[in-house]
Amino acid sequence: ILNVEQSPQSLHVQEGDSTNFTCSFPSSNFYALHWYRWETAKSPEALFVMTLNGDEKKKGRISATLNTKEGYSYLYIKGSQPEDSATYLCAFIGGSYIPTFGRGTSLIVHP
Amino acid sequence: EPEVTQTPSHQVTQMGQEVILRCVPISNHLYFYWYRQILGQKVEFLVSFYNNEISEKSEIFDDQFSVERPDGSNFTLKIRSTKLEDSAMYFCAISWGLTGQGKTEAFFGQGTRLTVV
Repeated sequence: ILNVEQSPQSLHVQEGDSTNFTCSFPSSNFYALHWYRWETAKSPEALFVMTLNGDEKKKGRISATLNTKEGYSYLYIKGSQPEDSATYLCAFIGGSYIPTFGRGTSLIVHP
Repeated sequence: EPEVTQTPSHQVTQMGQEVILRCVPISNHLYFYWYRQILGQKVEFLVSFYNNEISEKSEIFDDQFSVERPDGSNFTLKIRSTKLEDSAMYFCAISWGLTGQGKTEAFFGQGTRLTVV
């Protein structure tokens, strides 16, 4: 069973705060790491697909970094807005090419 | 328009009954997956399906579960004799996999909430 852990489990921040959370995954047999954004009553949507050690991806105020040697990825949100409130899931893809998901980090941004 | 739609959105069934959950992809994707999320727990992988056969399945996917693409379009998950612990959100996901467009992110349906009573 692959161990994909996300921390913290939940996070409350004020509008305008910057925040970050972590996804840790096995450092061996790495193929890709995905980040998904999951809003309540909707289905998860892909944010980033990361494949190379040292990858940095950015979409607006959201960015992510990847360290495959030590098995972690950070997701950063700069200047959080209430519409950023969602659960952020990471998924590790290894040799089987099947995404294995973490439990998610629930972010709530208070106006 | 979403890449994949799921029906029904909510199903209530009695313990021991059979249920069929449906997933309809818009495009001709290569890989199909079923995941489930029991309330308060993480998203769990059930099964992947490629080239009209199961490519991987988890320990959760026991003999009471089956998947098929009966008409080459719909992708179904059947639970033969439901148990209370099968109550969960079931998500279908699709992706191109390693070939085709070369994309590997998964597109999820809206989910089916299954409640077994």
